[in-house]
Amino acid sequence: EVQLVESGGDFIQPGGSLRLSCGAFGFTFSTSNMNWVRQAPGKGLEWVSAISGSGEDTFYADSVKGRFTISRDNSKNTLSLQMNSLRAEDTATYYCAKRIDNRGKTYYMDVWGTGTTVTVSS
Amino acid sequence: QMTQSPSSLSASVGDRVTITCQASQDIGNNLNWYQQKPGKAPELMIYYASNLRTGVPSRFSGSGSGTYFSFTISSLQPDDFATYYCQRVDTFGQGTKLEIK
Repeated sequence: EVQLVESGGDFIQPGGSLRLSCGAFGFTFSTSNMNWVRQAPGKGLEWVSAISGSGEDTFYADSVKGRFTISRDNSKNTLSLQMNSLRAEDTATYYCAKRIDNRGKTYYMDVWGTGTTVTVSS
Repeated sequence: QMTQSPSSLSASVGDRVTITCQASQDIGNNLNWYQQKPGKAPELMIYYASNLRTGVPSRFSGSGSGTYFSFTISSLQPDDFATYYCQRVDTFGQGTKLEIK
């Protein structure tokens, strides 16, 4: 069964750091580009970061650039998001999602994890 | 930028409903639709404007190209009451919450 399972969400103080993980099962992880997408409480979906299958190419939303780092370990079928200098506005449920890319120009997300919740508050 | 409307919609079982998404520039058919139920992850429904994902009921459909897209449920079922999002690359629409009248 194709599945993504996130972990690592927690309650943390502003300025702190947190590392989210996403385990991938049932598909060839190393050839799949991946996204992190977040959703603040009661709000819509916001794309956060993306990484190519090889891990060589990474992309970030302006709201997290310089604070978050996406990475992957293809030997362990694991996607990660290192989150530093956390702010209250980073409070959200974070989803990892598998992409189906079309010639590098567009994509859709066909598999989503169940999400992990990050709460940033003093 | 993707402008999705309406932001909320009240309808009854059996109704036909349509949600629209407008792009600020020509995006061809590069527009996807997701369904999200409370407390759950989004699920892909339609990809590349009009392609129904395998396993999604045929009462769901999508159309459009260029800058104007629509997502239609032909006959609402109780399980369809959820929030729907359009998406193009790293941009999501604001979402449409579909509620029972």
